[in-house]
This record gives sequence, C-alpha cells and structure tokens, in this order.
Amino acid sequence: GNSVTQMEGPVTLSEEAFLTINCTYTATGYPSLFWYVQYPGEGLQLLLKATKADDKGSNKGFEATYRKETTSFHLEKGSVQVSDSAVYFCALRGTYAGNMLTFGGGTRLMVKP
Amino acid sequence: DGGITQSPKYLFRKEGQNVTLSCEQNLNHDAMYWYRQDPGQGLRLIYYSQIVNDFQKGDIAEGYSVSREKKESFPLTVTSAQKNPTAFYLCASSSLTGSDEQYFGPGTRLTVT
Repeated sequence: GNSVTQMEGPVTLSEEAFLTINCTYTATGYPSLFWYVQYPGEGLQLLLKATKADDKGSNKGFEATYRKETTSFHLEKGSVQVSDSAVYFCALRGTYAGNMLTFGGGTRLMVKP
Repeated sequence: DGGITQSPKYLFRKEGQNVTLSCEQNLNHDAMYWYRQDPGQGLRLIYYSQIVNDFQKGDIAEGYSVSREKKESFPLTVTSAQKNPTAFYLCASSSLTGSDEQYFGPGTRLTVT
C-alpha cells in the first residue's frame, strides 16, 4: 500500500535559518504529492503540491521538488520566520486511490527569534 | 466566503455517551472526509463519502458512524463503542474532478472523561 515517511521533529531553528524537512514515499503508479501546514489549534492548509515527476511546488517561500528516482518530496525554505512555526505534513494521493490522501506523521517546526 | 465549518470547536462528554460532530461545506464538493488526529501523530481516515447517501469506511471506522443525507453535510457520531474517543477530529472535502486538493475545516477537539 501507499505510505509516507517524514523526519521526526521537533525541528528547532533560529529565525532566518535554512529549513529542510525530509519526506519519502512508497506508492504504485504516479502519485500526486502535497505539503500541508497546521498552525496551533487549527485545521490543515495546503502549502504546495506537485503532480508529476520533476515538478516543483512553491508557495510563501517554501518549495519542494517531486523526485521520482529517490521517491522524495523534501520541503525547503531559505529563511524561516517565527510565523512559520507549525506542524508540516507530507501527503500523497495514489494513482488508484480516488481522492484519498495518505499522510506522514507530521513534523513540528519551532522557529526562535 | 466558501469553506468548511465544524462545530463546536471544543466538546466534552462523559464516557458511555454518543456524541455527534458537525461538518458543513459550501464549496459544492462531492467528496467529504473525516480524520482523527492524536497528539504528535498524523491523520488517520475514519470515513469518507463521494456521493450523497453513500459512504465508505476508512482505516479506523470502528466505533464511529456517519451519514450523508445532503451534499453539504457529513456529521460524524462517536459512539460509546469507540474505546479511545478523546482526539482532534478534522473534516475535509474535495472535488472529484479537476484539482485533487482536500480542504480542511478548523477541527473539533473532543474530550471524553
């Protein structure tokens, strides 16, 4: 079946540091890949997505590239802000899964001033 | 504004009582989903529905029930058979054509004592 593995958190960074959150997946076919962000006490918001190999999703300074050869979709940001503190979820939608999403366990990011 | 509403935000119940969580969307989405989130963990799918009057079990449906009498509404009942009901519950919806993004509500935190 489909699965998503994320690096465990929490990840603690100082403001303006470079961020990488690793995400790897297992899926048959050609999945779509997503990053969602969850701020404290709230639901999830879509941050970015990529639907085919070598696509780069980007939003709000975050970016991730769909790497089929390494089955990865790592999230990066060049300079984090305190307001980026949240939990980040990597997810995939399998080719044969309708609109079902499979989520990773989430990675908590804490950014200190 | 279009979106998903969940109510209430916080819910407290005594053990042995059934409780129903509300989820309404005005996005004209065909598909709706219920997820459970436990502290420090990812999302697990409880039930989903792709059309009115039809729904399917997700990965952890035991102890839960749903109905889909209207396209806009997908209430979740947490029954007394659910062994560990205390959790954060998230409702989502998506189109079945075009964009495959899922849109999430703000969540309901259920505490059962």
